[in-house]
Amino acid sequence: AQTVTQSQPEMSVQEAETVTLSCTYDTSENNYYLFWYKQPPSRQMILVIRQEAYKQQNATENRFSVNFQKAAKSFSLKISDSQLGDTAMYFCAYLTSGTYKYIFGTGTRLKVLA
Amino acid sequence: DARVTQTPRHKVTEMGQEVTMRCQPILGHNTVFWYRQTMMQGLELLAYFRNRAPLDDSGMPKDRFSAEMPDATLATLKIQPSEPRDSAVYFCASAQGVDNSPLHFGNGTRLTVT
Repeated sequence: AQTVTQSQPEMSVQEAETVTLSCTYDTSENNYYLFWYKQPPSRQMILVIRQEAYKQQNATENRFSVNFQKAAKSFSLKISDSQLGDTAMYFCAYLTSGTYKYIFGTGTRLKVLA
Repeated sequence: DARVTQTPRHKVTEMGQEVTMRCQPILGHNTVFWYRQTMMQGLELLAYFRNRAPLDDSGMPKDRFSAEMPDATLATLKIQPSEPRDSAVYFCASAQGVDNSPLHFGNGTRLTVT
C-alpha cells in the first residue's frame, strides 16, 4: 500500500527567509502524481503545487517550488521569501494513476515569524 | 466559483447518537472522497466513490460508519452510534477523476461527541 510520510510536525521561519518542508512516499507504481496542499487557519484546503512523476523537471509556482527525487521517493516543498500569509498546515499528497486514490501525509504546521 | 458544499459546519452530539454529514460535490466531478482530520493522524481517507460506486472504504470502521452516494449530487457519511473518539473534522472532496486533476475540498464538518 502507498504511504506518505511528513517527518516534521512543526516548523517556523522568519519572514522573507526560505524554508523547505520534507515529504517521502512509498510506492511500487511508476505512474503517479504528487501534490502539496495548504490549510490556513480558516480550514480551507488550497492546492499549492503539483508534480507528475514522469516529468523530471521540478514544478514551480511563483515562490513555491519542489525538489522531486523519484529514485529516493522524496518530494520536498521550498517556500522562498516567506510571508506571514504562508502560515498554515501543509499536506503532501500522492495520487495513484490507475485507481485515482488520493493519500495524504500527516501534515507540517508552518509558522512564519514577523 | 464552483464549490463543494458540506453540511453541517459544526455538530455537537452525545455519545450513542446518530450523526449524518452531507456533501454536494462540484457538478461534473465524478469522484468523491471522505477524509477525517485529527491532530495525530492527519488526513485519513475513509472512503471514496467514482461515478457513485464505492471504490475503497477500507479506512472506515465498518461497524459504525457508512458512506453512500444516493445520487450524483449528494454524498453522505453516517456514524451510528457515535463515540467520543469520532470527534474530528470531516472533509468531503471531489475531483474530475482524470489525470492529475486536483481535489476540491469542502469546508469540513467539525464533529464533537461528548
